[in-house]
Amino acid sequence: SQKIEQNSEALNIQEGKTATLTCNYTNYSPAYLQWYRQDPGRGPVFLLLIRENEKEKRKERLKVTFDTTLKQSLFHITASQPADSATYLCALERGGSYIPTFGRGTSLIVHP
Amino acid sequence: NAGVTQTPKFQVLKTGQSMTLQCAQDMNHNSMYWYRQDPGMGLRLIYYSASEGTTDKGEVPNGYNVSRLNKREFSLRLESAAPSQTSVYFCASSEMRQGGNQPQHFGDGTRLSIL
Repeated sequence: SQKIEQNSEALNIQEGKTATLTCNYTNYSPAYLQWYRQDPGRGPVFLLLIRENEKEKRKERLKVTFDTTLKQSLFHITASQPADSATYLCALERGGSYIPTFGRGTSLIVHP
Repeated sequence: NAGVTQTPKFQVLKTGQSMTLQCAQDMNHNSMYWYRQDPGMGLRLIYYSASEGTTDKGEVPNGYNVSRLNKREFSLRLESAAPSQTSVYFCASSEMRQGGNQPQHFGDGTRLSIL
């Protein structure tokens, strides 16, 4: 089965800096990789989806990269703000399965 | 826009009691899912329903049953609750399409404690 690794330690950064979160996986290469944001007491909210044939995807201050050779996705938030503080989950999906497998998430704390 | 609505938001049960968690979505999605989220474990799929009339087991189905009542509603039942089922339960919905899946939309969860 797919194993997904996200840093279990919280990432602490200063406001205005770029936050970079990592999602590593083993076994099969996923067809799709998604990133979600989860606030305390709330359900995950979809942010970005990237396909295996895409190297990079951007949305406003967010950028996701997908390196199938390294088996890694990086999630960047530029010009971070305290409001970006949350847990960020990556989810991988095998082609044809339609069922994503979620990582445990990494907590991001942006200090003013 | 309500999106995905889960009821109840909180529940405390005694070991051996039964209960049904309700989920409804108003986005006309074909697919619905039930997950549990435990500290350090991430989201684990319990059951899913790819379309109305079908249900399938996920990673951790033991101790649970589901019913896809109609296109909008997907319920999760605990027949005889056990302390190991203490968790936060999330319902989600999405479209399953060949050639590209769509993101999942989640409810805000049901926090269930079993004593």
